[in-house]
Amino acid sequence: GESVGLHLPTLSVQEGDNSIINCAYSNSASDYFIWYKQESGKGPQFIIDIRSNMDKRQGQRVTVLLNKTVKHLSLQIAATQPGDSAVYFCAENIYTRQLTFGSGTQLTVLP
Amino acid sequence: GAGVSQSPSNKVTEKGKDVELRCDPISGHTALYWYRQSLGQGLEFLIYFQGNSAPDKSGLPSDRFSAERTGGSVSTLTIQRTQQEDSAVYLCASSLEGQQPQHFGDGTRLSIL
Repeated sequence: GESVGLHLPTLSVQEGDNSIINCAYSNSASDYFIWYKQESGKGPQFIIDIRSNMDKRQGQRVTVLLNKTVKHLSLQIAATQPGDSAVYFCAENIYTRQLTFGSGTQLTVLP
Repeated sequence: GAGVSQSPSNKVTEKGKDVELRCDPISGHTALYWYRQSLGQGLEFLIYFQGNSAPDKSGLPSDRFSAERTGGSVSTLTIQRTQQEDSAVYLCASSLEGQQPQHFGDGTRLSIL
């Protein structure tokens, strides 16, 4: 079956640097993509989303880029802070039904 | 509270026992989802409720799993005759009808001995 996957399972960055987390998806029919942050013992927390008719969307310190040609999604975090350390999941959706999740990337922010 | 509430937060039970997990969605959210997350893995879809429509049960792994939603609000996920492979975190999410994003609770960590 089609699924969402992540390029790197772990990512370590220095505090203050920018982080880029990548995600590949395989279902060209997906019309909605979302990034979640999950801290230990907590449920996924919504970060930012993007619809397939957009290429880029910005939030507070975060930017999501969507490249439909190569089926690639990325999350950019500006000026990474210790509180950003968590597992980040991308997910895709078709017709507002269930989300298909990738396996996650562990982001560690180094002092 | 204003978020999705799940109970219990932790559940330890013996193999073969039945368990019930509860989810209180955000008020006004008509869509409710159950997912399962095994250790170090992504989330696996289980079941989806939308308003008065028949639920989408396509993600339930076996007939030991069932879920219901009473009065369009609270949902209960039931696992009968639990097995060790059922050990996981069970997460519930809700959203407005036909909309994203889904908002998640903190889950129930289920351990089968």
